Amino acid sequence: DVKVTQSSRYLVKRTGEKVFLECVQDMDHENMFWYRQDPGLGLRLIYFSYDVKMKEKGDIPEGYSVSREKKERFSLILESASTNQTSMYLCASTRGRGEAFFGQGTRLTVV
Amino acid sequence: KQEVTQIPAALSVPEGENLVLNCSFTDSAIYNLQWFRQDPGKGLTSLLLIQSSQREQTSGRLNASLDKSSGRSTLYIAASQPGDSATYLCAASGNTPLVFGKGTRLSVIA
Repeated sequence: DVKVTQSSRYLVKRTGEKVFLECVQDMDHENMFWYRQDPGLGLRLIYFSYDVKMKEKGDIPEGYSVSREKKERFSLILESASTNQTSMYLCASTRGRGEAFFGQGTRLTVV
Repeated sequence: KQEVTQIPAALSVPEGENLVLNCSFTDSAIYNLQWFRQDPGKGLTSLLLIQSSQREQTSGRLNASLDKSSGRSTLYIAASQPGDSATYLCAASGNTPLVFGKGTRLSVIA
């Protein structure tokens, strides 16, 4: 069974903290994505990666960075967490332009 | 820039009814169209993927169609059940990563 695993279901962090969200896939997919989901705004693309050590900005990259040191792992980094980054974060992966598989989501609250 | 719209935003139906969820997209140059289900507080579960060369895909009680020329896709759910209650999202894949609609929240009443 294909799997995308996000390291945490729920996180509570303080304003100004550096936050790491981890995502691992076991399908040998080359493409990985980070979205955030907010009520009324839907899913918005933060960053994506088409290969190891490659990264591309999505629609809302400000305040975020990413790391892809290994093919199976894609990390989202909040350099200095702010309350407006409280959201549901979703990781996905694909092989080429094929079917997208999502992780279970991380509900991040910044206080 | 691709834009994806889903209508209606919410839908409530009695159990057993057949229903159709709508998805429209502005750029017809897509590679595929994917439908997802999302339960409250959870991630997205892939339901059906329609390649641009296909007209429809079926899985059990679900049937999804794609009309690229008109920029529309529909998800048909037959004989709805309370367990079908969830938010359904469509997403279009083209020269950019998946672009999502905001979803249709479905409630099936027993």
